[in-house]
Amino acid sequence: DAGITQSPRHKVTETGTPVTLRCHQTENHRYMYWYRQDPGHGLRLIHYSYGVKDTDKGEVSDGYSVSRSKTEDFLLTLESATSSQTSVYFCAIGTSGYEQYFGPGTRLTVT
Amino acid sequence: AQTVTQSQPEMSVQEAETVTLSCTYDTSESDYYLFWYKQPPSRQMILVIRQEAYKQQNATENRFSVNFQKAAKSFSLKISDSQLGDAAMYFCAYRRFYGGSQGNLIFGKGTKLSVKP
Repeated sequence: DAGITQSPRHKVTETGTPVTLRCHQTENHRYMYWYRQDPGHGLRLIHYSYGVKDTDKGEVSDGYSVSRSKTEDFLLTLESATSSQTSVYFCAIGTSGYEQYFGPGTRLTVT
Repeated sequence: AQTVTQSQPEMSVQEAETVTLSCTYDTSESDYYLFWYKQPPSRQMILVIRQEAYKQQNATENRFSVNFQKAAKSFSLKISDSQLGDAAMYFCAYRRFYGGSQGNLIFGKGTKLSVKP
């Protein structure tokens, strides 16, 4: 257990509304990641962070933004949710070695 | 760009028997890491095993072992003495050697493993 929580765990929202997902870690890891999981695609990187206020884009970043004002929290925001953003979202932390450990995931449905 | 391919969308194994899941990858780099993750119906992603490309010895974790063939760019997972709790999606993943901004994982599409009692 790497001490990673995600909130909310489930969310249903309407097209066009803003949505923020939160990832919280308790072990002071520098690196944090947001992935999305879709059928037939495995997991794909959305954004990542390598420190407070240090973030960068991943493979599928369009329509998403992130923020990291504290080491322990990494927020993912959908400014205006679309149906194509219906997915399961995973947060992960990167250890000082080379492993990544994942949170429990958030299932987001955009109607 | 690196890619990871899992050619078996679904596999099935009898309880107590052995099964091997396949994974191939494409990279031009010589140093990297490879991982297998398990995702049971709970949806939690669980790290099963890891392999450093610079190590020739195949990694082993209890009933899980890998066959790492660097020249062939192959990284298969063998599960021995399969148990009902092994039923899950299994994902193969690649990570570049250098960390920081280059440390994200590249995943295959997964193999769904069923275990028959």
